[in-house]
Amino acid sequence: AQTVTQSQPEMSVQEAETVTLSCTYDTSESDYYLFWYKQPPSRQMILVIRQEAYKQQNATENRFSVNFQKAAKSFSLKISDSQLGDAAMYFCAYKTGTASKLTFGTGTRLQVTL
Amino acid sequence: AAGVIQSPRHLIKEKRETATLKCYPIPRHDTVYWYQQGPGQDPQFLISFYEKMQSDKGSIPDRFSAQQFSDYHSELNMSSLELGDSALYFCASSLEFPGGRDTQYFGPGTRLTVL
Repeated sequence: AQTVTQSQPEMSVQEAETVTLSCTYDTSESDYYLFWYKQPPSRQMILVIRQEAYKQQNATENRFSVNFQKAAKSFSLKISDSQLGDAAMYFCAYKTGTASKLTFGTGTRLQVTL
Repeated sequence: AAGVIQSPRHLIKEKRETATLKCYPIPRHDTVYWYQQGPGQDPQFLISFYEKMQSDKGSIPDRFSAQQFSDYHSELNMSSLELGDSALYFCASSLEFPGGRDTQYFGPGTRLTVL
């Protein structure tokens, strides 16, 4: 069974600084997708970034980028120039190419301080 | 851009009652997914539908059923509600071919409280 592990329950970053959230996963599949979702206090699940396993290039979306290490099964999220609005729970998620469901990690709560 | 719509946003029920949650996917999206998120937990997959047919099933209790209609909206029916059913229920939608290759976009969720 596929598992997703987020080993940092909480992280803190100062405004304008950079922070990296860690995620590892376990799978025997070769075709899969990885995602980071953000859940602010409103509880809405917002897609931050996605990565296809077959792509070697790391995905980027404005201030958000990933470090995808396929051999190590690692998928970390880097947030640059952190803003107060980045404060939220961040979930790493995995999906195979054939199945429907997303498997989530337990989340990392990010605090952004002045 | 249009997003996933869920109704109601909040629902309070008594034990043993029934509840119906509705989901309206993003226009042109053909697949819907239901997730349950308990307090302090990550979302857990319940069930999904592609082109009105059940495509995958997760940890959905037998007391729950769901379907997708001809207009692609979906309903999650929950009977004999228990205190443990209190949770945030998300619907997500995607546009994908068989194989499930596209990204799931989540609705705002329905917060169900069972008293």
